[in-house]
Amino acid sequence: GEDVEQSLFLSVREGDSSVINCTYTDSSSTYLYWYKQEPGAGLQLLTYIFSNMDMKQDQRLTVLLNKKDKHLSLRIADTQTGDSAIYFCAERWTGGGNKLTFGTGTQLKVEL
Amino acid sequence: GAVVSQHPSRVICKSGTSVKIECRSLDFQATTMFWYRQFPKQSLMLMATSNEGSKATYEQGVEKDKFLINHASLTLSTLTVTSAHPEDSSFYICSAIGGETQYFGPGTRLLVL
Repeated sequence: GEDVEQSLFLSVREGDSSVINCTYTDSSSTYLYWYKQEPGAGLQLLTYIFSNMDMKQDQRLTVLLNKKDKHLSLRIADTQTGDSAIYFCAERWTGGGNKLTFGTGTQLKVEL
Repeated sequence: GAVVSQHPSRVICKSGTSVKIECRSLDFQATTMFWYRQFPKQSLMLMATSNEGSKATYEQGVEKDKFLINHASLTLSTLTVTSAHPEDSSFYICSAIGGETQYFGPGTRLLVL
């Protein structure tokens, strides 16, 4: 695993969709994850996708993976104030065992 | 999902003392656990991989004599910060492997005075 990049900040209005983007450099990724961190708390696993998949949907969450461009996104539909948090993408790659490389984190702020 | 706990949730200690942090997988067994450190407004930095029944594997730049890791059972790993100094103040998070994913504990806030 090498660099995993995310934009630092995203602000949306309540009820709108949020799209958080992530780019990675290692082409041997096996799994890619999205975690949510609220202030002072640990990381909550939201969802993950295997690298041979293009899309995964789980209730309000949709993960899209473009393996050619090494781009991962998380879409949150009908964003609520409780979704305000920091979101980390992480990749697990062949040869890294079970280690994860984390992105820089995106702070999502949901405004009324 | 699987549950991982940490104890204590926060600790304040004097410089020079040692502090032990516990990480437990509550409803599953974990042969591998990880210890991370997180500075304010930053991402997680992997410190070491804790392997049940064997020595921990430390990341480059992490002092193994400073951060002692013991993984004595399939549900418990401990991190001991020895001779703590103010620069060791941080948020320490553990995780445990459960199937295809890592499940994280709630973190321990350490403040060294």
